[in-house]
Amino acid sequence: QSALTQPPSASGFPGQSVTISCTGSSSDVGGYNYVSWYQQFPGRAPKLIIYEVNQRPSGVPGRFFGSKSGNTATLTVSALQAEDEADYFCNSYTGKSLLFGGGTKLTVL
Amino acid sequence: QVQLVESGGGVVQPGTSLKLSCSASGFAFSRYSLHWVRQAPGKGLEWVAVMSYDGSGTYYADSVRGRFFVSRDNSKNTLYLQLNNLTNDDMALYYCVRVHRERKVLLPNFDYWGQGTLVTVSS
Repeated sequence: QSALTQPPSASGFPGQSVTISCTGSSSDVGGYNYVSWYQQFPGRAPKLIIYEVNQRPSGVPGRFFGSKSGNTATLTVSALQAEDEADYFCNSYTGKSLLFGGGTKLTVL
Repeated sequence: QVQLVESGGGVVQPGTSLKLSCSASGFAFSRYSLHWVRQAPGKGLEWVAVMSYDGSGTYYADSVRGRFFVSRDNSKNTLYLQLNNLTNDDMALYYCVRVHRERKVLLPNFDYWGQGTLVTVSS
């Protein structure tokens, strides 16, 4: 099964908002409200920042917002900060497995 | 606190086998499903496999089905992954991860990750 489609890169200036898309199909992203997002810094394990499309774990800033429309899930990072520069991965339930996106490198300009 | 500690990685030749372990502590092991997720050097994340919290069910990625086998020993708070017939494509850092809801299996919500154990496949 092919990975979910994410843009390889995204960027924004401090204070701006940036969106990262995660496109799948009706068999995964579009079929279930089980999409998660992870943030990963170099050399570190990923961290869960959004689950079940738009839920934030305790301790994750409200600047991180998740949404979904059709077969595409979106992570929005508002009021961008230098510390947000990292790799971001989406992950979706497919009915019989899980599927990650290819990852997006977010650069804060 | 919740801890997941992977071990068993190493350098192996193509076609050989390896068994990874994940020792868990700080939570009720038998109530949580644990997954294996891998990451090739410089690449993205790939879901590998899961065994349900009670050992009743297993699920695998297409890329490893029939070669990798996941198991757990709830009396030892340990998750295992048997890797057989290894290829260069299996070379990666293998993470053990916990689903963040009790008694759920195939949720993509991983709230705790180990530090990973590196599998290198080289002739």
